[in-house]
Parts: sequence; C-alpha cells; structure tokens
Amino acid sequence: DQQVKQNSPSLSVQEGRISILNCDYTNSMFDYFLWYKKYPAEGPTFLISISSIKDKNEDGRFTVFLNKSAKHLSLHIVPSQPGDSAVYFCAAPPGYGGATNKLIFGTGTLLAVQP
Amino acid sequence: DTGVSQDPRHKITKRGQNVTFRCDPISEHNRLYWYRQTLGQGPEFLTYFQNEAQLEKSRLLSDRFSAERPKGSFSTLEIQRTEQGDSAMYLCASSLDRRNEKLFFGSGTQLSVL
Repeated sequence: DQQVKQNSPSLSVQEGRISILNCDYTNSMFDYFLWYKKYPAEGPTFLISISSIKDKNEDGRFTVFLNKSAKHLSLHIVPSQPGDSAVYFCAAPPGYGGATNKLIFGTGTLLAVQP
Repeated sequence: DTGVSQDPRHKITKRGQNVTFRCDPISEHNRLYWYRQTLGQGPEFLTYFQNEAQLEKSRLLSDRFSAERPKGSFSTLEIQRTEQGDSAMYLCASSLDRRNEKLFFGSGTQLSVL
C-alpha cells in the first residue's frame, strides 16, 4: 500500500532549465508534505515543506505546489544546477493527529542535471 | 550542532551473525527514528522513540530486530541471526518534540549480509 507515489524514477534536464518533480498521495488525512534530497552514501536532507492550508511555498530556487483536490504535489527547481543532481523524495507524516513525526516516503526520483 | 551521527558507516557480516548499530541524535532532539532503505525504494519506517520510550514499531521490525535508547540519548539497533534480506542502508533520524517538525537524518549504516 504505497500512500506516497513518485511515478518517475528518473529525470534528466539541462543546466539552467526548470526541473519538475511530481508526487501523488492517496491518503486524504495527509496535511503536511516535505521534500528531501539524497546524495549517494549520505542520509536524506530536508529541502522544503508545505502545509495543506497553502497551495505554494517558495524558498530560493525551490518551489513546491500542492493541489489537494488532485492529491498531487510538485517540486520546481529553477534554474537547475549540476549540484542539484540527486535523488528527491516526497514524504508526509501519517496525518492522523498523532504526536509522532514519522514520515512516509515515496520511492524517489533521480534527477540528473546535465552541464 | 554536530548533526546526527551513525556508526559504523559500513558493516559486512556473514549470514547468521548478530550486528549492532549506534546512532547519536542531535543533542536537543528527544525524538529518534530508525529507517531502512533498500535500492530503488524510499526510506521505510522501522521504529520511533520519544526520549527513552519506544512508542511505535513497524511490522517490518521482526523479532530478530531490537532497538534501545537507554538514557534518552544515543540509540542502538541490533539485528540477530542476520539474513541476506537484511542487507540495506539503516538510517537514523531525530527531531524536536513538535508536530510536523522535520527529521534530520544521519549518513546511515550500509549493511551487507553475505
């Protein structure tokens, strides 16, 4: 039962162009979403988050969009840089109102930014 | 703030052996999590501590797995009688005690069971 889905295993873009990474979720109880970036042999690092009361959150080159009716979110990176090449995970806490912040992760999208 | 520290970074063991991993969280974080990640998958939740209390365990955590956080600081994850299917990256994370606080991850321990 994959509650957070990232259907694109990989994405390749040219340096300077926009990268768009997509994520779908099935649980309507989710009310908070996070994106993590992971380099090989390192742990995931937090990138950006969004609460369900918003439909957009921006931090520098990174913007996350949330479409609650479609249960879909996307991460936009503009402009893309070679250092952005990594695996990107979408994640969400269970959303049942519990105190735990455990996260449910998608399977990740490998982004390759070509110089 | 030295971040979340995990030891060892790599562990190679033979099937049937026991292994133990250590995690030192960020000092002011009282929540600690263990995750497992296999190739092509996202991190999967294993267990969670609030201070020294283990409050939640995943169905993935078979009875060969045990985790402790004896004084509410560092934590250990032990796998007994390892199997080849246990080969994975074991990740530790910590967070503050507030809802929707982000998790800070360590670099992980890569386990290979031969």
